[in-house]
Amino acid sequence: ETGVTQSPTHLIKTRGQQVTLRCSSQSGHNTVSWYQQALGQGPQFIFQYYREEENGRGNFPPRFSGLQFPNYSSELNVNALELDDSALYLCASSLEAGLGDSPLHFGNGTRLTVT
Amino acid sequence: AQRVTQPEKLLSVFKGAPVELKCNYSYSGSPELFWYVQYSRQRLQLLLRHISRESIKGFTADLNKGETSFHLKKPFAQEEDSAMYYCALLMDSSYKLIFGSGTRLLVRP
Repeated sequence: ETGVTQSPTHLIKTRGQQVTLRCSSQSGHNTVSWYQQALGQGPQFIFQYYREEENGRGNFPPRFSGLQFPNYSSELNVNALELDDSALYLCASSLEAGLGDSPLHFGNGTRLTVT
Repeated sequence: AQRVTQPEKLLSVFKGAPVELKCNYSYSGSPELFWYVQYSRQRLQLLLRHISRESIKGFTADLNKGETSFHLKKPFAQEEDSAMYYCALLMDSSYKLIFGSGTRLLVRP
């Protein structure tokens, strides 16, 4: 069974640039959720994709966008990067969108630094 | 607003001592509570969930709706329990988890 994989592991960008982070879901999972974890904080929900559609969104501006592909892998795109976007970005997959019966399985994250 | 509070950033105990990591939540509906753990250089992983009512690695947690708490307990801490622990709230079987800010547990020999 292949776990959740994320790439790249680390990334440095300049304010105003755009970034794309990638995630491969665990085998058999059709749902991907993205979380942002700032230093010293718990993960904060960005959005979830279920069967290629955005299924829910947290309190993040539209410059945070995503995609899910037919193989259930996913991308997180952030435009017009700001210094406060510096964080660990976590991808998590699950069997279904409702998490009551389908716990999240997390990747190792991508550490984004914006200078 | 829905919120999860973990009041302790760091909890340090000696091996063999009892451990209680505190978690309080704010939500008026039917919550589901989870504990996630992150060991050094490993990914965040599910430790236990309240609906399972099971003990994992000697840890238990009971949902107390009256006190809106879901404290994590272990009677005898082991060095390998040292990790970052996050309490998380799921609202009405929805799609997003609300995490607390985490407690670092350090078990000293």
